[in-house]
Amino acid sequence: DQQVKQNSPSLSVQEGRISILNCDYTNSMFDYFLWYKKYPAEGPTFLISISSIKDKNEDGRFTVFLNKSAKHLSLHIVPSQPGDSAVYFCAASFDNNDMRFGAGTRLTVKP
Amino acid sequence: ETGVTQTPRHLVMGMTNKKSLKCEQHLGHNAMYWYKQSAKKPLELMFVYNFKEQTENNSVPSRFSPECPNSSHLFLHLHTLQPEDSALYLCASSQGAGTGSQETQYFGPGTRLLVL
Repeated sequence: DQQVKQNSPSLSVQEGRISILNCDYTNSMFDYFLWYKKYPAEGPTFLISISSIKDKNEDGRFTVFLNKSAKHLSLHIVPSQPGDSAVYFCAASFDNNDMRFGAGTRLTVKP
Repeated sequence: ETGVTQTPRHLVMGMTNKKSLKCEQHLGHNAMYWYKQSAKKPLELMFVYNFKEQTENNSVPSRFSPECPNSSHLFLHLHTLQPEDSALYLCASSQGAGTGSQETQYFGPGTRLLVL
């Protein structure tokens, strides 16, 4: 049972434009959501997180939005840079020992 | 050295071999995790250790055997693996606390395993 889904396996955007990565979840118990970024031959790197008591969290060029009623979160990157090209995973947890991950979206930012 | 390290980075083994993966975290964390990532699939949680005690075993076959001698080190012992076990094995750590806390897990670079 895949509780966290990233339905777009890939996304391509032009440098300077906005990248929007989406994630849906099914378990209403999830109360903490994270985005990780992964380059080839490296482990996932923590990017940004949001608690279920918030609907937005911003860190520089990265903003995560949470819509609890729709069980949907998104990551906005603006402006996108070629160095942002990587695989992005969303993750959700309701217990610090039980984190579920999406399958990832490969973002390509074209110069 | 900082962060989470894993050795070896790459491993090729036959189905009759015995090998071990090692993970070490330098973050002062108390919880450590093993994940498996197969191609185009989500990360699958395998084992969780919290304060050196195993708190989760997600129906992992017995050919995978974890060991956590202290809060900084985690091993995954492998024996009689199958070709379908070929994957990227990731170790992660987090602060470690009781349930209900919201923690961020920090990952190592992974061990790319190929079983022939």
